[in-house]
Amino acid sequence: GAVVSQHPSWVICKSGTSVKIECRSLDFQATTMFWYRQFPKQSLMLMATSNEGSKATYEQGVEKDKFLINHASLTLSTLTVTSAHPEDSSFYICSALNPGSHEQYFGPGTRLTVT
Amino acid sequence: EDQVTQSPEALRLQEGESSSLNCSYTVSGLRGLFWYRQDPGKGPEFLFTLYSAGEEKEKERLKATLTKKESFLHITAPKPEDSATYLCAVRPPGSGNTGKLIFGQGTTLQVKP
Repeated sequence: GAVVSQHPSWVICKSGTSVKIECRSLDFQATTMFWYRQFPKQSLMLMATSNEGSKATYEQGVEKDKFLINHASLTLSTLTVTSAHPEDSSFYICSALNPGSHEQYFGPGTRLTVT
Repeated sequence: EDQVTQSPEALRLQEGESSSLNCSYTVSGLRGLFWYRQDPGKGPEFLFTLYSAGEEKEKERLKATLTKKESFLHITAPKPEDSATYLCAVRPPGSGNTGKLIFGQGTTLQVKP
C-alpha cells in the first residue's frame, strides 16, 4: 500500500507556543490531504481538507487561525497548532488521497501534549 | 443526514472463532465504502474498498462484502494479531472530488489465544 509519513511522531510543548506537524506522501502525488484529530477510544474527527495550491477547507467548529494548514507541494502538507493550550493535546493524524484510486492512506499519527 | 454505524462496539473472540463485524450506512448513492484497521497509537491502515452491492474482497483471514445498506467484515479463524479497531468509512455523493469520508465509530476486536 501507499506510504504516508508524519513528523514528529510525538511532541511535548509548553502552553502558548506553536508546534508544526509535517505530513508527507512518499510514493504518490497528493493534491488533497486531510487532517484528523482523534480522542482516546473515539473515531477520527476530520479537521480540514488540505488542497495543494489553495486554501484549506475547515470543518465546522475548527478554528482556522489556530490550526494553520499549508499544502506546499504535491507531497507535503503541514499543520501548525498556534498558541497551544492543554486542551489541544490530542492524537493528530493526516491522510493523503490517492487521485487514481480515491483511497485515503493515513500517516502514523502525531501525539501532541501541551503542558 | 448521512450516517455510518458500526456494530458491535467491542467484540471478544477466542482464537479460531470466526465472526463478522457490521457497518450500516444511510448514505444513498454511495461512492465507495472503505475498511481500515487501526492499532493503538497508530494511524489507520487501509484494508479494502468496495463500490457496488454484491462486491467482495479478501485479504488473508478477512473478507469484506457490501450490500445496498451495509457492509460486513468477516474474520475467519482469527489470531491474536488480528486484535485491533476496525473502522468503516463511506464516501458520500456530496463529497464531489474532495474525497471526504464519513467514519463509523469502529469495532474494537480482541482475540484471545
